Amino acid sequence: DGGITQSPKYLFRKEGQNVTLSCEQNLNHDAMYWYRQDPGQGLRLIYYSQIVNDFQKGDIAEGYSVSREKKESFPLTVTSAQKNPTAFYLCASSMTEWRTNTEAFFGQGTRLTVV
Amino acid sequence: DQQVKQNSPSLSVQEGRISILNCDYTNSMFDYFLWYKKYPAEGPTFLISISSIKDKNEDGRFTVFLNKSAKHLSLHIVPSQPGDSAVYFCAASAGNYGQNFVFGPGTRLSVLP
Repeated sequence: DGGITQSPKYLFRKEGQNVTLSCEQNLNHDAMYWYRQDPGQGLRLIYYSQIVNDFQKGDIAEGYSVSREKKESFPLTVTSAQKNPTAFYLCASSMTEWRTNTEAFFGQGTRLTVV
Repeated sequence: DQQVKQNSPSLSVQEGRISILNCDYTNSMFDYFLWYKKYPAEGPTFLISISSIKDKNEDGRFTVFLNKSAKHLSLHIVPSQPGDSAVYFCAASAGNYGQNFVFGPGTRLSVLP
């Protein structure tokens, strides 16, 4: 079955530590995205990538880093520089073709808690 | 500055009645709009979309209306069912290469039996 998989579902981190969230898709999508959701707020874009080896900062990229070495994978590292990392993180993917409207497909999310 | 707004944080509707969820946007470059449904601790799932060349799109119980001049769209659910209880996000994108999706803050719909 095609889909997008995030792991782990729950993650605990001590303050001052970096942590990496995994996102894998087998939908053959070119574009991948990372969003963050906080209580009572919408989804805010952290980073996105339209093609392998290229990615762009979203609205709230500070304290985060990503890589896109493979089409299928878009891991997100939450660094110790992120001041308020406790949140629900969502990864998504979509096709990107010129002038093609398409929807994004989401993973199940990772809830990160800093202790 | 929020480009996509959902001004009602929550909405309660009786089972069998119509649910109307509203969304406003400010960026005139947006030309594709989507609605997502989200249950707690899960990722959003795509519900329905509409391109700016249309003013209405229907899929079963779900209909999305787009009013470009008002920069407003709405999602109608008829009839509403208890399983529709979830948070609904409106999203918008500009249909050029390098698009990304801008989401509203969501509206929590409760369908009461």
